[in-house]
Amino acid sequence: GAGVSQTPSNKVTEKGKYVELRCDPISGHTALYWYRQSLGQGPEFLIYFQGTGAADDSGLPNDRFFAVRPEGSVSTLKIQRTERGDSAVYLCASSITRNTEAFFGQGTRLTVV
Amino acid sequence: AQTVTQSQPEMSVQEAETVTLSCTYDTSESDYYLFWYKQPPSRQMILVIRQEAYKQQNATENRFSVNFQKAAKSFSLKISDSQLGDAAMYFCAYRLQGRGSNYKLTFGKGTLLTVNP
Repeated sequence: GAGVSQTPSNKVTEKGKYVELRCDPISGHTALYWYRQSLGQGPEFLIYFQGTGAADDSGLPNDRFFAVRPEGSVSTLKIQRTERGDSAVYLCASSITRNTEAFFGQGTRLTVV
Repeated sequence: AQTVTQSQPEMSVQEAETVTLSCTYDTSESDYYLFWYKQPPSRQMILVIRQEAYKQQNATENRFSVNFQKAAKSFSLKISDSQLGDAAMYFCAYRLQGRGSNYKLTFGKGTLLTVNP
């Protein structure tokens, strides 16, 4: 695609529910990143994929968070048993390789009520 | 660990005037990149300008320029001839160069820029 696409744009869910956030990177980009941006803060790194594998998941806050990229393209961030503190904008970015310019999507605003 | 600090939560400027946004960072590394990103209400992070730490010359991109002071670990953004479309959140960011975590961006908390007509 022309840019990084994230769906849904907004998601409201009830506390305790499971959610999936999708990221479709720029075609040909092997590196993919997820960041979380809480209100009034800058984005914080969650996870980095090189191809299909999670090369660095050190930013995932706990085991309720999991991400996959099974075919090396689209990625899904999965959050189990959502909590109100999970409310944030989740940004996805991709780059040709790991140390080149990252292009961001428009994010998914997750609200847990 | 690297940290990025933006001490100005909000700034305002008159249209056509010049404004400078401040950023300081802390790192023990010598090779890295510094960035300024713009985030409008659409939420998409847009790269404004990039500086390689090994380059002494300050980067410029049209109306945007930086003042990079490596010894002081300071990286400010100057916007000249401000336009209404410049209004947005601006984030300063750091990324290591070379081996290691050279893919991970570390962001500051941002500065909200308002442009007054």
